[in-house]
Amino acid sequence: AQSVAQPEDQVNVAEGNPLTVKCTYSVSGNPYLFWYVQYPNRGLQFLLKYITGDNLVKGSYGFEAEFNKSQTSFHLKKPSALVSDSALYFCAVRDFTSGTYKYIFGTGTRLKVLA
Amino acid sequence: DSGVTQTPKHLITATGQRVTLRCSPRSGDLSVYWYQQSLDQGLQFLIQYYNGEERAKGNILERFSAQQFPDLHSELNLSSLELGDSALYFCASSLRTGVEETQYFGPGTRLLVL
Repeated sequence: AQSVAQPEDQVNVAEGNPLTVKCTYSVSGNPYLFWYVQYPNRGLQFLLKYITGDNLVKGSYGFEAEFNKSQTSFHLKKPSALVSDSALYFCAVRDFTSGTYKYIFGTGTRLKVLA
Repeated sequence: DSGVTQTPKHLITATGQRVTLRCSPRSGDLSVYWYQQSLDQGLQFLIQYYNGEERAKGNILERFSAQQFPDLHSELNLSSLELGDSALYFCASSLRTGVEETQYFGPGTRLLVL
């Protein structure tokens, strides 16, 4: 079965510094990977996805993610963090079971950007 | 704003009761997914409907059921509620059901069972 792991419950970074939120995956076949962000009392917002093609994927709000097949990773990055980036981030993989493609989500990483 | 709407935003009820959560997908989307987010279980897929028909089931309890209506809105029915059912329930929609399709999430319904 497909799975993703987010090894860090929380990441703290100073405003203006680069940030990385880690995600590793385990899949059979081609990986289809997604990042979502959840702000307090809000739903999940789509950031970016990797389906195929370039290993560096650019997404919303200045975020990007690097797909690394040899390390089975899909880390989320941003060159310069903003306080407003503070939120809960979820990595997800598409899993085809029971006749449909559903998301398998990681446990989430709370990002705290300090002013 | 994802374009997916959910009502109500908050729901407080007692054990043993039944509630209905409602979801309207983005305009044009045929597929609706329901997810449960709880502290101990994380985000879990419950059930999916596609163009009015049940497409897949995930970790959905027998006490829970859902349907999708001809206008494509969906309802999730939770009955014989238990304290452990307290959670945030999300609806998501996508155009179809392909592997690369992005799902767009609603703001969720927060359910508290007392």
